[in-house]
Amino acid sequence: QSVLTQPPSASGTPGQTVTISCSGTSSNVGSDYVYWYQHLPGAAPKLLIYRNHQRPSGVPDRFSASKSGTSASLAISGLRSEDEADYYCSAWDASLRGVVFGGGTKLTVL
Amino acid sequence: EVQLVESGGGLEQPGGSLRLSCAGSGFTFSTYAMSWVRQAPGKGLEWVSAISGRGDSTIYAESVKGRFTISRDNSKDTVYLQMNSLRGDDAAVYFCVKWSPNWNLLGLYALDVWGQGTAVTVSS
Repeated sequence: QSVLTQPPSASGTPGQTVTISCSGTSSNVGSDYVYWYQHLPGAAPKLLIYRNHQRPSGVPDRFSASKSGTSASLAISGLRSEDEADYYCSAWDASLRGVVFGGGTKLTVL
Repeated sequence: EVQLVESGGGLEQPGGSLRLSCAGSGFTFSTYAMSWVRQAPGKGLEWVSAISGRGDSTIYAESVKGRFTISRDNSKDTVYLQMNSLRGDDAAVYFCVKWSPNWNLLGLYALDVWGQGTAVTVSS
């Protein structure tokens, strides 16, 4: 059971917009930044979003994110086949004194 | 280019020990906290442990506390994870990750560079 809650799966067709949610508590999402990672099978996870909504250089602006209270979301617009991957949200948890992750959302591009 | 290369994974029996290593390059290693994150087969990412840039502070997930020890040798730009009393649920790919330049502000910084991972199998 992961500390942050994500839907296990999401899907969309090329060109569509897909949104992935991430729910936490006041000790993690509600009190600190949220980060999003993309994980392709057999590869190293890649930082997609930092500090709630910032994109590292090289990440397309098709990827956007937001946070409100104890929930956050990642949106992927103009869906492409190469976006098919697992997506994880994470945050620092002040009570646990460690990083917590969501269970991951497997995105399928139909 | 920032790079992290893990090594030391393999097959170990339950109750046994393994030491993972991670060599960093392309950045000022001693400036950054380093972390280990693992992914068990078919499961999601799980944060394991972290160590400050100077190596004088450490934190652990409850699932490994008392069994795993993180350390670093900044003269070798290397971080280690000593895993003792291994259990079946420790089987995973272990990723070494570059983290925060400020130990007191860990939540402000992303786990921004990940290694390719090293696989640990625990089985008799």
